[in-house]
Amino acid sequence: DAGITQSPRYKITETGRQVTLMCHQTWSHSYMFWYRQDLGHGLRLIYYSAAADITDKGEVPDGYVVSRSKTENFPLTLESATRSQTSVYFCASSESRSTSQPQHFGDGTRLSIL
Amino acid sequence: GIQVEQSPPDLILQEGANSTLRCNFSDSVNNLQWFHQNPWGQLINLFYIPSGTKQNGRLSATTVATERYSLLYISSSQTTDSGVYFCAVGALDDKIIFGKGTRLHILP
Repeated sequence: DAGITQSPRYKITETGRQVTLMCHQTWSHSYMFWYRQDLGHGLRLIYYSAAADITDKGEVPDGYVVSRSKTENFPLTLESATRSQTSVYFCASSESRSTSQPQHFGDGTRLSIL
Repeated sequence: GIQVEQSPPDLILQEGANSTLRCNFSDSVNNLQWFHQNPWGQLINLFYIPSGTKQNGRLSATTVATERYSLLYISSSQTTDSGVYFCAVGALDDKIIFGKGTRLHILP
């Protein structure tokens, strides 16, 4: 099916481990985004990407790494997971400039760090 | 950076009632979006509305960019309208900032 898909949907891991969350979109949208959603904070932007090989920091980038070697994929890596990174992570994409087109979201990944 | 404030934070209504949700923002923006997060956690884009008024069925939205606010109207509420409604503004530096949401609960 066309759209934006995230994997895994649920993940439990331990403090200090590396974990990668995957995001794949079939629309060939230029812009892709990673957000985390926490109670009391709403959605906060972690990183975004304007095109392949172009990424930029959002509001809360510390502890995260992203890459965008292909337009359709935008993985998010926690290099050494901490308990404070327990959250629900959403990936999104939009057609062109991030502020001029609507965003479409994946279904989210619920990540628990023990 | 831009501050986005949504009100009310929580709203409980009887099925069939109408409601108005508000989003205020502190600076000029390129666009504004309204999202619905359903009880399963999915985020659905309702409106992309940098200015003016749009309608989609029982839902409509109005943005007055010069006065830095947007309103989301829900008429004849149904239990499926329950969830959290987010406003998100597109800043001039290309970042998108979300409000903290309005939690809506429609009672049958």
